[in-house]
Amino acid sequence: KAGVTQTPRYLIKTRGQQVTLSCSPISGHRSVSWYQQTPGQGLQFLFEYFSETQRNKGNFPGRFSGRQFSNSRSEMNVSTLELGDSALYLCASSPTRGTGELFFGEGSRLTVL
Amino acid sequence: DQQVKQNSPSLSVQEGRISILNCDYTNSMFDYFLWYKKYPAEGPTFLISISSIKDKNEDGRFTVFLNKSAKHLSLHIVPSQPGDSAVYFCAAIVANAGGTSYGKLTFGQGTILTVHP
Repeated sequence: KAGVTQTPRYLIKTRGQQVTLSCSPISGHRSVSWYQQTPGQGLQFLFEYFSETQRNKGNFPGRFSGRQFSNSRSEMNVSTLELGDSALYLCASSPTRGTGELFFGEGSRLTVL
Repeated sequence: DQQVKQNSPSLSVQEGRISILNCDYTNSMFDYFLWYKKYPAEGPTFLISISSIKDKNEDGRFTVFLNKSAKHLSLHIVPSQPGDSAVYFCAAIVANAGGTSYGKLTFGQGTILTVHP
């Protein structure tokens, strides 16, 4: 089985721009979660989608949004980028909700200049 | 509010010896705990988990212990190998109830384990 695929792997943006990150979960997995990893804050939960519906959201400003498509693929968007948004954004999938046993992609490394 | 804490940023161990990684939590709603391992340039990979109804779970060289009264869990790796060198994250989840925490993993800050040959 192919793993979780995230694109792009690396990107550089400037303050004020917006960015869209994409995630293709493992085939058959219906739950997709997003996490932000920074050196100071560790891994922080952004949101979780299941069956195209956002089921849970972390403590991030409204500039962070996401969606899930009918094929379970997911995208997250960050608008009006700030320097502090520089981070590794990790997508994870699982066949069901609530077990915590997630399969992570390699992440999208975002640098905001 | 850091609900899951790993107070040791790093740990250095000799090959063949035991590695003990510790984790504390504050939210008594957590009922399932996990450990993830992360190598550089890779996503975290699931290592081992434990339900709150147990106090120990073992998988090969890896054993997780849970002390609910102390809200403390630990991961023991015996014997440690150089390939175990990675960042270890402890995580917790509310797995058996609804509400706003359901499905959300809360991670600790991570502990960098270095196993020297």
